[in-house]
Amino acid sequence: GQQVMQIPQYQHVQEGEDFTTYCNSSTTLSNIQWYKQRPGGHPVFLIQLVKSGEVKKQKRLTFQFGEAKKNSSLHITATQTTDVGTYFCAGKAMDSNYQLIWGAGTKLIIKP
Amino acid sequence: DGGITQSPKYLFRKEGQNVTLSCEQNLNHDAMYWYRQDPGQGLRLIYYSQIVNDFQKGDIAEGYSVSREKKESFPLTVTSAQKNPTAFYLCASSRGDWAYEQYFGPGTRLTVT
Repeated sequence: GQQVMQIPQYQHVQEGEDFTTYCNSSTTLSNIQWYKQRPGGHPVFLIQLVKSGEVKKQKRLTFQFGEAKKNSSLHITATQTTDVGTYFCAGKAMDSNYQLIWGAGTKLIIKP
Repeated sequence: DGGITQSPKYLFRKEGQNVTLSCEQNLNHDAMYWYRQDPGQGLRLIYYSQIVNDFQKGDIAEGYSVSREKKESFPLTVTSAQKNPTAFYLCASSRGDWAYEQYFGPGTRLTVT
Protein backbone atom coordinates (compact mmCIF):
# COMPACT_ATOMS: atom_id res chain seq x y z
CA GLY A 1 0.00 0.00 0.00
CA GLN A 2 0.91 3.65 -0.12
CA GLN A 3 3.29 4.73 2.59
CA VAL A 4 5.53 7.54 3.71
CA MET A 5 8.85 6.59 5.25
CA GLN A 6 10.25 9.11 7.69
CA ILE A 7 13.85 9.03 8.91
CA PRO A 8 15.51 9.03 11.30
CA GLN A 9 13.24 7.71 14.04
CA TYR A 10 15.23 9.63 16.67
CA GLN A 11 17.86 12.33 16.55
CA HIS A 12 19.91 13.45 19.51
CA VAL A 13 21.57 16.83 19.12
CA GLN A 14 23.38 19.29 21.33
CA GLU A 15 21.56 22.57 21.72
CA GLY A 16 22.72 24.82 18.91
CA GLU A 17 23.30 22.00 16.43
CA ASP A 18 21.16 21.53 13.34
CA PHE A 19 18.44 18.91 12.88
CA THR A 20 16.96 17.39 9.73
CA THR A 21 14.15 14.90 9.15
CA TYR A 22 13.28 13.36 5.79
CA CYS A 23 10.10 11.92 4.33
CA ASN A 24 9.99 9.66 1.28
CA SER A 25 6.74 8.61 -0.30
CA SER A 26 6.09 5.50 -2.37
CA THR A 27 3.72 7.55 -4.52
CA THR A 28 3.54 11.07 -5.94
CA LEU A 29 1.93 13.49 -3.54
CA SER A 30 -0.34 16.44 -4.28
CA ASN A 31 0.64 18.12 -1.01
CA ILE A 32 2.62 17.47 2.14
CA GLN A 33 1.96 18.83 5.60
CA TRP A 34 4.28 19.04 8.60
CA TYR A 35 3.19 18.82 12.23
CA LYS A 36 4.98 19.09 15.58
CA GLN A 37 3.94 17.16 18.68
CA ARG A 38 5.45 18.23 21.99
CA PRO A 39 5.93 15.48 24.63
CA GLY A 40 2.53 14.64 26.11
CA GLY A 41 0.79 16.96 23.67
CA HIS A 42 -1.08 16.82 20.41
CA PRO A 43 0.11 17.46 16.83
CA VAL A 44 0.16 21.09 15.78
CA PHE A 45 0.21 22.09 12.13
CA LEU A 46 3.39 23.81 10.97
CA ILE A 47 3.14 24.21 7.21
CA GLN A 48 1.85 22.80 3.92
CA LEU A 49 3.83 22.47 0.70
CA VAL A 50 2.06 22.07 -2.62
CA LYS A 51 4.38 22.98 -5.50
CA SER A 52 7.18 20.89 -6.95
CA GLY A 53 10.53 22.10 -5.61
CA GLU A 54 8.87 24.44 -3.12
CA VAL A 55 10.94 25.81 -0.24
CA LYS A 56 9.38 27.63 2.70
CA LYS A 57 10.99 29.11 5.78
CA GLN A 58 9.67 29.85 9.23
CA LYS A 59 12.42 31.54 11.24
CA ARG A 60 14.93 28.71 11.89
CA LEU A 61 12.82 26.05 10.13
CA THR A 62 13.22 25.31 6.41
CA PHE A 63 10.80 23.01 4.61
CA GLN A 64 11.40 21.54 1.16
CA PHE A 65 9.22 19.58 -1.26
CA GLY A 66 11.09 17.55 -3.85
CA GLU A 67 10.93 18.15 -7.59
CA ALA A 68 9.17 14.82 -8.13
CA LYS A 69 6.79 15.53 -5.22
CA LYS A 70 7.75 12.24 -3.58
CA ASN A 71 10.01 13.52 -0.83
CA SER A 72 10.22 16.34 1.65
CA SER A 73 12.48 17.54 4.42
CA LEU A 74 12.42 19.75 7.48
CA HIS A 75 15.65 21.38 8.61
CA ILE A 76 16.03 23.25 11.89
CA THR A 77 19.05 25.52 12.27
CA ALA A 78 20.64 26.01 15.68
CA THR A 79 18.19 23.96 17.72
CA GLN A 80 16.77 25.30 20.96
CA THR A 81 15.13 23.48 23.86
CA THR A 82 11.76 24.70 22.62
CA ASP A 83 12.25 22.60 19.47
CA VAL A 84 12.01 19.35 21.43
CA GLY A 85 9.23 17.08 20.22
CA THR A 86 8.27 14.74 17.42
CA TYR A 87 7.95 16.03 13.88
CA PHE A 88 5.53 14.32 11.50
CA CYS A 89 5.00 14.64 7.81
CA ALA A 90 1.67 13.75 6.20
CA GLY A 91 0.98 13.67 2.50
CA LYS A 92 -2.00 13.20 0.24
CA ALA A 93 -1.47 10.85 -2.68
CA MET A 94 -2.07 12.53 -6.03
CA ASP A 95 -4.00 9.59 -7.45
CA SER A 96 -6.31 9.17 -4.51
CA ASN A 97 -8.90 11.19 -2.66
CA TYR A 98 -8.45 8.96 0.32
CA GLN A 99 -6.80 10.46 3.39
CA LEU A 100 -3.40 11.68 4.41
CA ILE A 101 -0.55 9.20 4.66
CA TRP A 102 1.40 9.87 7.86
CA GLY A 103 5.06 9.30 8.45
CA ALA A 104 6.02 7.63 11.76
CA GLY A 105 7.69 10.81 13.00
CA THR A 106 11.18 11.88 14.03
CA LYS A 107 11.76 12.57 17.68
CA LEU A 108 14.15 15.44 18.37
CA ILE A 109 16.01 15.07 21.65
CA ILE A 110 18.29 17.81 22.95
CA LYS A 111 21.27 16.41 24.85
CA PRO A 112 21.92 18.15 28.19
CA ASP B 1 -12.16 30.88 22.01
CA GLY B 2 -12.30 28.45 19.09
CA GLY B 3 -10.92 24.95 19.15
CA ILE B 4 -11.45 21.27 19.66
CA THR B 5 -12.20 19.72 23.00
CA GLN B 6 -11.88 16.09 23.96
CA SER B 7 -12.99 14.58 27.19
CA PRO B 8 -11.95 13.06 29.38
CA LYS B 9 -8.16 13.46 29.27
CA TYR B 10 -7.61 10.09 30.95
CA LEU B 11 -10.03 7.15 30.91
CA PHE B 12 -9.78 3.78 32.59
CA ARG B 13 -12.01 0.86 31.74
CA LYS B 14 -12.24 -2.85 32.34
CA GLU B 15 -12.03 -5.30 29.48
CA GLY B 16 -15.39 -6.11 27.94
CA GLN B 17 -16.84 -2.64 28.44
CA ASN B 18 -17.70 -0.24 25.65
CA VAL B 19 -16.50 3.32 26.14
CA THR B 20 -17.36 6.54 24.28
CA LEU B 21 -14.83 9.32 23.75
CA SER B 22 -16.15 12.81 23.22
CA CYS B 23 -14.97 15.27 20.55
CA GLU B 24 -16.49 18.72 20.04
CA GLN B 25 -15.34 21.56 17.78
CA ASN B 26 -16.53 25.14 17.43
CA LEU B 27 -14.40 25.97 14.40
CA ASN B 28 -17.32 25.41 12.00
CA HIS B 29 -15.25 22.76 10.22
CA ASP B 30 -16.95 20.30 7.92
CA ALA B 31 -14.49 17.43 8.30
CA MET B 32 -13.63 15.55 11.48
CA TYR B 33 -11.26 12.66 12.13
CA TRP B 34 -10.31 10.12 14.74
CA TYR B 35 -6.75 8.85 15.02
CA ARG B 36 -5.07 6.35 17.26
CA GLN B 37 -1.47 6.83 18.41
CA ASP B 38 0.54 4.10 20.10
CA PRO B 39 3.80 4.83 21.96
CA GLY B 40 6.59 5.88 19.63
CA GLN B 41 4.41 5.54 16.56
CA GLY B 42 2.67 7.73 14.06
CA LEU B 43 -1.03 8.40 13.64
CA ARG B 44 -3.40 5.79 12.28
CA LEU B 45 -6.80 6.82 10.97
CA ILE B 46 -9.81 5.14 12.56
CA TYR B 47 -12.77 6.99 11.03
CA TYR B 48 -13.41 10.26 9.29
CA SER B 49 -16.44 12.33 8.38
CA GLN B 50 -16.54 15.02 5.75
CA ILE B 51 -20.17 16.05 6.24
CA VAL B 52 -22.90 15.57 8.82
CA ASN B 53 -24.60 12.17 8.80
CA ASP B 54 -21.82 10.62 6.75
CA PHE B 55 -18.59 8.92 7.81
CA GLN B 56 -16.02 6.56 6.33
CA LYS B 57 -13.78 3.87 7.73
CA GLY B 58 -10.08 4.51 7.98
CA ASP B 59 -7.30 1.96 8.13
CA ILE B 60 -8.12 0.51 11.55
CA ALA B 61 -11.91 0.83 11.99
CA GLU B 62 -12.50 -2.67 13.34
CA GLY B 63 -13.78 -2.57 16.91
CA TYR B 64 -14.73 1.12 16.72
CA SER B 65 -17.90 3.00 15.84
CA VAL B 66 -18.75 6.67 15.30
CA SER B 67 -21.68 8.96 14.66
CA ARG B 68 -21.94 12.44 13.15
CA GLU B 69 -25.38 13.75 13.98
CA LYS B 70 -24.19 17.34 14.46
CA LYS B 71 -21.49 19.30 12.67
CA GLU B 72 -19.80 20.12 15.99
CA SER B 73 -19.65 16.62 17.42
CA PHE B 74 -17.97 13.35 16.40
CA PRO B 75 -17.98 10.83 19.27
CA LEU B 76 -15.99 7.61 19.04
CA THR B 77 -17.07 4.38 20.74
CA VAL B 78 -14.41 1.83 21.51
CA THR B 79 -16.23 -1.48 21.68
CA SER B 80 -15.31 -4.66 23.46
CA ALA B 81 -14.46 -6.11 20.03
CA GLN B 82 -11.35 -3.92 19.81
CA LYS B 83 -8.54 -6.28 20.78
CA ASN B 84 -5.95 -3.74 21.94
CA PRO B 85 -7.83 -0.58 22.93
CA THR B 86 -5.20 0.94 25.23
CA ALA B 87 -3.85 3.92 23.31
CA PHE B 88 -3.85 7.70 22.90
CA TYR B 89 -6.87 8.84 20.86
CA LEU B 90 -6.76 12.08 18.94
CA CYS B 91 -9.66 13.88 17.34
CA ALA B 92 -9.06 16.44 14.59
CA SER B 93 -11.03 18.69 12.30
CA SER B 94 -10.40 20.59 9.08
CA ARG B 95 -12.22 23.07 6.87
CA GLY B 96 -12.58 20.60 4.04
CA ASP B 97 -10.88 17.58 2.63
CA TRP B 98 -7.33 16.29 2.87
CA ALA B 99 -5.86 19.42 1.28
CA TYR B 100 -6.51 21.43 4.44
CA GLU B 101 -4.56 21.58 7.67
CA GLN B 102 -5.93 19.56 10.54
CA TYR B 103 -6.52 20.97 14.01
CA PHE B 104 -6.14 18.46 16.81
CA GLY B 105 -7.78 18.20 20.20
CA PRO B 106 -5.71 17.50 23.33
CA GLY B 107 -6.40 13.76 23.13
CA THR B 108 -7.79 11.09 25.43
CA ARG B 109 -5.49 8.50 26.93
CA LEU B 110 -7.48 5.28 27.29
CA THR B 111 -6.28 2.42 29.47
CA VAL B 112 -8.15 -0.88 29.45
CA THR B 113 -7.22 -3.55 31.97
